[in-house]
Amino acid sequence: AQSVTQPDIHITVSEGASLELRCNYSYGATPYLFWYVQSPGQGLQLLLKYFSGDTLVQGIKGFEAEFKRSQSSFNLRKPSVHWSDAAEYFCAVAPGGYNKLIFGAGTRLAVHP
Amino acid sequence: NAGVTQTPKFQVLKTGQSMTLQCAQDMNHEYMSWYRQDPGMGLRLIHYSVGAGITDQGEVPNGYNVSRSTTEDFPLRLLSAAPSQTSVYFCASTIGQGSDQYFGPGTRLTVT
Repeated sequence: AQSVTQPDIHITVSEGASLELRCNYSYGATPYLFWYVQSPGQGLQLLLKYFSGDTLVQGIKGFEAEFKRSQSSFNLRKPSVHWSDAAEYFCAVAPGGYNKLIFGAGTRLAVHP
Repeated sequence: NAGVTQTPKFQVLKTGQSMTLQCAQDMNHEYMSWYRQDPGMGLRLIHYSVGAGITDQGEVPNGYNVSRSTTEDFPLRLLSAAPSQTSVYFCASTIGQGSDQYFGPGTRLTVT
């Protein structure tokens, strides 16, 4: 069965530090891949997505993600974190159709001043 | 455009009660979906629709019914609420492949 693993439940970084959130997926072929962010009490906002082509994709708010087929990974990165980036981040795949997403459990990011 | 709207924002039910969570979008999207979000589990797909009159089950459909009589609306019905259905429910829509999926603000449901 398809699945998404986000190994880190909580991550704390200092403001200005770099960030990498890990995501691994289980699927036979290359699925559509997504990263969403959820601020407290809010809905989900799409940060970036990968369908095909260049394996390094740029998103909003200075985020980027790299697709690595050999590792079945789609890690999210940001070179310098801002306090406003504190939120929960979800990796998702769409193996069976574009509107049928499978989400990871999420990584909650805390940012220290 | 209002995007994806959900009502109510909060709801408390007693076990056995029924209710309908409303979802509407004004973007003329064919694809709509319902997810539930539980702590430590991310979001899980309940039901989805690829167009008016067409619905199908997702990962966790038991205890929920849906219908899609119009492109704009995709209500989620709980026929007999159970405490296990305490969750935050999100509706989402997209125009289709290659396009972004838009999420509503969510409905927080508590079943006592």
